[in-house]
Amino acid sequence: EPEVTQTPSHQVTQMGQEVILRCVPISNHLYFYWYRQILGQKVEFLVSFYNNEISEKSEIFDDQFSVERPDGSNFTLKIRSTKLEDSAMYFCASRGGSPTDTQYFGPGTRLTVL
Amino acid sequence: EDQVTQSPEALRLQEGESSSLNCSYTVSGLRGLFWYRQDPGKGPEFLFTLYSAGEEKEKERLKATLTKKESFLHITAPKPEDSATYLCAVQYRGSYIPTFGRGTSLIVHP
Repeated sequence: EPEVTQTPSHQVTQMGQEVILRCVPISNHLYFYWYRQILGQKVEFLVSFYNNEISEKSEIFDDQFSVERPDGSNFTLKIRSTKLEDSAMYFCASRGGSPTDTQYFGPGTRLTVL
Repeated sequence: EDQVTQSPEALRLQEGESSSLNCSYTVSGLRGLFWYRQDPGKGPEFLFTLYSAGEEKEKERLKATLTKKESFLHITAPKPEDSATYLCAVQYRGSYIPTFGRGTSLIVHP
């Protein structure tokens, strides 16, 4: 069964460093998403991406965040200068072309900022 | 104000003890309501999508129902492997982005 994959599973970084989180969405999906979940809190939307551009973004997704689909399979989230409060689980999700299609989530990357 | 409220926050059941989890939402114009299961340290795993009041869906020991303001996830004769956090997310007209509730942490004791 097709699934969303994410790498790395755990990333530890120093405050102020740049990190890139990687995702491989399900191959025939058209919409891609990043969410984050701070420990013990709810899943929060960051950004959605369609047709090689951002379609929606939340207030959390400020100028230090960027997304890219560098090739036909990968979808990345870059945090330019990490802060302590960026420590969280980051989930990638993807869905098909219909707005009512289900979003399927990856296993997540745990980001720890020291 | 949270747009999606789940209750209870935590629930402990004995194996075989049926119960229900609640998800209530305050927004109007529901596009879809989703139930996910999340195991510790893992991503949400899709369970059900409901679109209109009166709709019901079942999968093994789980049954999801929807009214105009809330959804229930009924768990019949649960087993320890049903232990997880169950997340509800609402997608409303005007956005394709689901808003998640805080989840219900379910523990089923053998």
